[in-house]
Amino acid sequence: GAGVSQSPSNKVTEKGKDVELRCDPISGHTALYWYRQSLGQGLEFLIYFQGNSAPDKSGLPSDRFSAERTGGSVSTLTIQRTQQEDSAVYLCASSPIPGTHTGELFFGEGSRLTVL
Amino acid sequence: GDSVTQMEGPVTLSEEAFLTINCTYTATGYPSLFWYVQYPGEGLQLLLKATKADDKGSNKGFEATYRKETTSFHLEKGSVQVSDSAVYFCALSDTGFQKLVFGTGTRLLVSP
Repeated sequence: GAGVSQSPSNKVTEKGKDVELRCDPISGHTALYWYRQSLGQGLEFLIYFQGNSAPDKSGLPSDRFSAERTGGSVSTLTIQRTQQEDSAVYLCASSPIPGTHTGELFFGEGSRLTVL
Repeated sequence: GDSVTQMEGPVTLSEEAFLTINCTYTATGYPSLFWYVQYPGEGLQLLLKATKADDKGSNKGFEATYRKETTSFHLEKGSVQVSDSAVYFCALSDTGFQKLVFGTGTRLLVSP
């Protein structure tokens, strides 16, 4: 498809397990963002990739969270030793250039994570 | 740091009513301001934007004016439709223009 693709769309896991969430950005988009959407918390910035530059990891909530972007395209967000407070919808977005000058971030539909 | 504050929802209106969703911001420098919308079952999408003071963004009948003196960017629509039912997010670009800072979102419910 032409849009940002995320998988899985839903993930239920047990506390303490590791999870991986995948994002396929729009082809040709150099900037990629991960946000977390929790009930009543809005969208929380997690991490930002731009081309070959070092990622901005300033939003990652703990060292259990990590992300990588291979070949400037697909990105994987990994959460180790999941906790119940990690339950949220994880959103990926991409833009053709650092998007905030135009504001046009293209979002996927998200991966809903439930930690039991 | 930069932040955005939105009115809490849900906002419930009848079709053809006037809509206002309040948004205020705190930022250093001169951020750009945005409204994003999330329709049920869909990803967030840009609704409108304003890049400098006194600019008015508009799209699909929605409008918002960048008010520097009141640090506000309220969303308005003169006559809402059932199809406008969604969650609306106010956002600003951070001072480094690297990422968006979002508010908590306001759910709008429009009944026939």
